[in-house]
Amino acid sequence: GAGVSQSPRYKVAKRGQDVALRCDPISGHVSLFWYQQALGQGPEFLTYFQNEAQLDKSGLPSDRFFAERPEGSVSTLKIQRTQQEDSAVYLCASSFYRGVGEKLFFGSGTQLSVL
Amino acid sequence: SQQGEEDPQALSIQEGENATMNCSYKTSINNLQWYRQNSGRGLVHLILIRSNEREKHSGRLRVTLDTSKKSSSLLITASRAADTASYFCATDADGNKLVFGAGTILRVKS
Repeated sequence: GAGVSQSPRYKVAKRGQDVALRCDPISGHVSLFWYQQALGQGPEFLTYFQNEAQLDKSGLPSDRFFAERPEGSVSTLKIQRTQQEDSAVYLCASSFYRGVGEKLFFGSGTQLSVL
Repeated sequence: SQQGEEDPQALSIQEGENATMNCSYKTSINNLQWYRQNSGRGLVHLILIRSNEREKHSGRLRVTLDTSKKSSSLLITASRAADTASYFCATDADGNKLVFGAGTILRVKS
């Protein structure tokens, strides 16, 4: 595709509800990253995939957060039993290369509001 | 945790003036990148400077890197209203991920 696509653009969830956020990276991009951005802050790393392998999930804040990329393209970030502190913008980024340090292409994000 | 810290937190200038933003980081890096984020949008890559480079230019952007001081600066010359955005530095110090700072909010008044 032309760019990284994320859906939904906005998501409102009631506390305790499960949510699933989708990321469609640029075709052919090997690496995929999920970041969480709180209001007025920089993006915080959540997890990293190289193709279908999840190589780093050190940033996931709790076991309520789960990410997958089963076929090495589309990725889903799932948050179970959402809490108010989960409210943030969730950004997905991809890059062509396998290694760290190359430029990332970001989607527009999913703004999650937990009421 | 955030590796980089941008300074100032916010900057307001007149169109046509230059804008300088600074970034400091804590550990050794291979490269440092700058990104721009318009309100409600994702981040857009601006420029990458490698640890063995001291200065890099791209259009109206000039980036410097001082590895001895663990700092970088981004200069935007002849600013335009369209440059209004948040600017983030990011480093690759921590394994597989880019670590971002808290950002500088730039407002260019026309």
